Amino acid sequence: GQSLEQPSEVTAVEGAIVQINCTYQTSGFYGLSWYQQHDGGAPTFLSYNALDGLEETGRFSSFLSRSDSYGYLLLQELQMKDSASYFCAVSGSGATNKLIFGTGTLLAVQP
Amino acid sequence: GAVVSQHPSRVICKSGTSVKIECRSLDFQATTMFWYRQFPKQSLMLMATSNEGSKATYEQGVEKDKFLINHASLTLSTLTVTSAHPEDSSFYICSFLTGESSYEQYFGPGTRLTVT
Repeated sequence: GQSLEQPSEVTAVEGAIVQINCTYQTSGFYGLSWYQQHDGGAPTFLSYNALDGLEETGRFSSFLSRSDSYGYLLLQELQMKDSASYFCAVSGSGATNKLIFGTGTLLAVQP
Repeated sequence: GAVVSQHPSRVICKSGTSVKIECRSLDFQATTMFWYRQFPKQSLMLMATSNEGSKATYEQGVEKDKFLINHASLTLSTLTVTSAHPEDSSFYICSFLTGESSYEQYFGPGTRLTVT
C-alpha cells in the first residue's frame, strides 16, 4: 500500500520556527510537494523537491531525503496567517502526475 | 497563479437525487485534471484523473457509475454525484495541471455537498 505520515497537530508561537515532517511509502516516486490549506479553502502549492536537499522559498523551506523516504517543511518567522493545514504529497504514479496526499498537519500559531 | 473556479460552492440535496459540480480553469488550458474528496479534518483523497476528450481513470474503490466525470474541454470538467446518499456528504475539490509544470496543481475552492 501507499502511505504518507505526518504529525496530526503542531503548535508554535509567532516568530518561531517549526518543522513538519513527512515519511512516505509509495510504489513510485518522482517528487515530494507541500501544500497549504486554510480551513474550508483550496490547497495552495508551497514547494516541490525531486532531488535530495533543501529548497528555499522565502520563509518556507522544504527538504527531501530519498534514501530515507523522508521530507520536511520548515516554516520560519511564523505569522498568525500561517495557521492552516499542511499536506505533503507524493507524485510518482505513472504519467498522469497524480498526487497522493499525506495525512496532514494542523499548525496553530499562537500570539 | 492560475485561477480555478468551482460551482456551486455549497449544495444541499435530498437522498436519491443527483448533483453536478462544475470546475473551470479561468486563465489557462489544462489537459489533465483531478477530482478529490475531503472529509472534515482529513486528507484529500484522489477520486479520479481525467484527460480532455478521454474517459476518466478512477482510483480503486471509487465507483465510476456513481461519480460521473466529464472533461468536456480544456477549461471545463464536471463531476456528477448520482443517486446521492448521506455518506456522500463531503468537500469535493478539483485541480488542474497547466502543462507549464509537471507537478504543481492548481486547486479550485471546493464544493461542500450535504445530502439529507
